[in-house]
Amino acid sequence: DAGITQSPRHKVTETGTPVTLRCHQTENHRYMYWYRQDPGHGLRLIHYSYGVKDTDKGEVSDGYSVSRSKTEDFLLTLESATSSQTSVYFCAISEGGQNYGYTFGSGTRLTVV
Amino acid sequence: GENVEQHPSTLSVQEGDSAVIKCTYSDSASNYFPWYKQELGKRPQLIIDIRSNVGEKKDQRIAVTLNKTAKHFSLHITETQPEDSAVYFCAATGGTSYGKLTFGQGTILTVHP
Repeated sequence: DAGITQSPRHKVTETGTPVTLRCHQTENHRYMYWYRQDPGHGLRLIHYSYGVKDTDKGEVSDGYSVSRSKTEDFLLTLESATSSQTSVYFCAISEGGQNYGYTFGSGTRLTVV
Repeated sequence: GENVEQHPSTLSVQEGDSAVIKCTYSDSASNYFPWYKQELGKRPQLIIDIRSNVGEKKDQRIAVTLNKTAKHFSLHITETQPEDSAVYFCAATGGTSYGKLTFGQGTILTVHP
């Protein structure tokens, strides 16, 4: 398969609860990214990682945090979920160097009620 | 940061016709421009990409052109088929490292048999 998996695939949660989404890769790629996809907005970068314990914010990082304690895992946490965070979340990996092409995970559909 | 504008937002063509999707970018330091295809309910997948030192690239029925002076790039699909129906996204790296991609808003392409 693509060497990248996301879990869970679907989740419904209540406003105010914390939520963690997981991205796992088997490609040993250095770079990992979290995007959210909303109609009319395309894909917007939330956070990204350029190595173990090396992370930085993207354009829509408010209300989200990330962690990367191992090369293969990149976790996205919604600290206190709000309805505006209802979205489809995609993780992507990239080899870097001269190869910037992304491989995306299958996505997580998150609904905050 | 980088800003990518994509047009049109929807495109409807007859089978066998050509389709063209255009994107503009803001950061003159951008050097990598991929295109992704996303079928309904699936992950985005890379279909073609171009680097800033190349003006045109073709792969069977799809081609991408880049005009660095005008800061725009386009996707051309010839002899369209119903299975080309999907959402297409353009993206640009910006001049930053870490391979972060900024995406356009997406184009919904519908090919009518």
